[in-house]
Amino acid sequence: EAGVVQSPRYKIIEKKQPVAFWCNPISGHNTLYWYLQNLGQGPELLIRYENEEAVDDSQLPKDRFSAERLKGVDSTLKIQPAELGDSAVYLCASSQVGGRGDEQFFGPGTRLTVL
Amino acid sequence: AQKVTQAQTEISVVEKEDVTLDCVYETRDTTYYLFWYKQPPSGELVFLIRRNSFDEQNEISGRYSWNFQKSTSSFNFTITASQVVDSAVYFCALSEAGAGGSYIPTFGRGTSLIVHP
Repeated sequence: EAGVVQSPRYKIIEKKQPVAFWCNPISGHNTLYWYLQNLGQGPELLIRYENEEAVDDSQLPKDRFSAERLKGVDSTLKIQPAELGDSAVYLCASSQVGGRGDEQFFGPGTRLTVL
Repeated sequence: AQKVTQAQTEISVVEKEDVTLDCVYETRDTTYYLFWYKQPPSGELVFLIRRNSFDEQNEISGRYSWNFQKSTSSFNFTITASQVVDSAVYFCALSEAGAGGSYIPTFGRGTSLIVHP
């Protein structure tokens, strides 16, 4: 069974540029999560989708971050414009049902460097 | 307020030593879930165990064991006879109920375990 796929794995951009990350969850998983992980820290939830619906997005900085999950499968996370402080690893995870007791399956992450 | 505290930033041991990773959590919910994940150098977090708040039974899986104590709000993880392949960052996480069925999994800062040959 294929795991969670993320691309690109690495991205280097200059500040004020836009950037997008893509995630393909495990087939059949209804729930998709985007996390931000700063160096030396644990993942912090940005947004959670159940199918196409964003059900937990209170921690997403909506002035510059946006996300979508069309057709309830793949998802894209966008930052526009990027700031120096956005340098981090962006993790995508999926789970089968979406309950808070669900095991999450994580992708390898996208490491973003903003210069 | 930090809801999941992993006070040990880094632990260094020699192979075959036993090691315990501490996790203390804070919640007002009576129903919640606790998790441990492993993050090897490759970066992908890997699920290790889940416990719900009503199940305080300790669990053993091979060289891994977990001690859940509600009285002290702790969910500690012990690796027996550590191996070099156990070197990774280990995260403890908490999922509690939010309004309207929402929930935000909260991760600790992680403990970096280094096992020397």
